[in-house]
Amino acid sequence: KAGVTQTPRYLIKTRGQQVTLSCSPISGHRSVSWYQQTPGQGLQFLFEYFSETQRNKGNFPGRFSGRQFSNSRSEMNVSTLELGDSALYLCASSLAPGAVGGEQYFGPGTRLTVT
Amino acid sequence: AQSVSQHNHHVILSEAASLELGCNYSYGGTVNLFWYVQYPGQHLQLLLKYFSGDPLVKGIKGFEAEFIKSKFSFNLRKPSVQWSDTAEYFCAVKYNQFYFGTGTSLTVIP
Repeated sequence: KAGVTQTPRYLIKTRGQQVTLSCSPISGHRSVSWYQQTPGQGLQFLFEYFSETQRNKGNFPGRFSGRQFSNSRSEMNVSTLELGDSALYLCASSLAPGAVGGEQYFGPGTRLTVT
Repeated sequence: AQSVSQHNHHVILSEAASLELGCNYSYGGTVNLFWYVQYPGQHLQLLLKYFSGDPLVKGIKGFEAEFIKSKFSFNLRKPSVQWSDTAEYFCAVKYNQFYFGTGTSLTVIP
């Protein structure tokens, strides 16, 4: 079974631009979460989607947004990029929010560098 | 806000030494607990998980963790580490969403 895939893997953008990252979950998984990973900060939760609806949102500004499609694929968008947005953005999928065990499976991430 | 604390930020051990990484969380209700590992250049993968039953859970590669509810802790242990265990380890707690600790970087010296 294919794992979680994320595209692109690497991205370099300039301050003020916007970016869209994509995530395809494991087949059959309907819940997708996004995280920002930076050294020393660990994984900061951005948001979680299930059945095309945002279930939870982390403490990030409104410049960070996301959506989920009917095939469970998800995108996140960051507008008006700032230098501090440079990070590894991780996508994780799981069967459903309330599934027993409920572990998440992570993709390789998209490395975003803002210059 | 809920939080997950990993007390050790950097740990350096020699091969065959024993390992214990601390993890404490703040939520007092029912939680699911996880340890994830990120090997250099690889993505996060599940090491072990607890959601009910025996509080001592065993994971892959000889790792185990003990859930102590009264202490809000879920410490990771391994009796004898190997060079290949060099990685970053993350504790995570889930109740309505996942909360991750800031990670512990483990370096094992051959």
